[in-house]
Amino acid sequence: EVQLVESGGDLVQPGGSLRLSCVVSGFTFDDHAMHWVRQVPGKGLEWVSGISWNGDSIGYADSVKGRFTVSRDNAKNSLYLQMNSLRADDTGLYFCARVWGVYILGIMDVWGQGTTVTVSS
Amino acid sequence: EIVLTQSPDTLSLSPGESATLSCRASQSVSGTYLAWYQQKPGQAPRLLIYNASKRATGIPDRFSGGGSGTDFTLTVSRLEPEDFAVYYCHQYGTSPPITFGQGTRLEIK
Repeated sequence: EVQLVESGGDLVQPGGSLRLSCVVSGFTFDDHAMHWVRQVPGKGLEWVSGISWNGDSIGYADSVKGRFTVSRDNAKNSLYLQMNSLRADDTGLYFCARVWGVYILGIMDVWGQGTTVTVSS
Repeated sequence: EIVLTQSPDTLSLSPGESATLSCRASQSVSGTYLAWYQQKPGQAPRLLIYNASKRATGIPDRFSGGGSGTDFTLTVSRLEPEDFAVYYCHQYGTSPPITFGQGTRLEIK
């Protein structure tokens, strides 16, 4: 069974840092690019970042550029999101999503259940 | 950046009726690389349609997609109770930022 399991979400103060993880199973991780997508409760989906199968191609939303860093460890079947200088508007449910293919531009065909990040003093 | 605008924001229909959801792009979507997702409360999005008109694995044929260029539609025929959810369009044909529409809520009338 294909599974994506996010973790690392927490309550953090403005200006703080968090590292999210997404551990996958049931498929060959390095056959797929991956994305992080977030959602404020009751609101829509916002793309955060994406990384190609080997990490050579990476993209970020303008809202997180310079503060967030995406990475992956194919040996550990894991995707990461290092989040620094967190702001209140970074609050939300963070999903990892698999791309149907090796490059960032592609269909997000499988999603995890998400991990919650709350930025508040 | 391609902006996707979905309409209507909310659609109220009864089971058995048909729903037509629209997604309009601010510029042409390369290669009809447009997808539709369904999201129910407390759940992750689920892929329904990709490449504008192809159903994902396991998606009933009541769901159909169409369109090209800047105008795309998702049609849900013979609405079942489980179809009432929020639907998002997503373009993946143009370099990041990757964008989603703001969503259409399909609710029971």
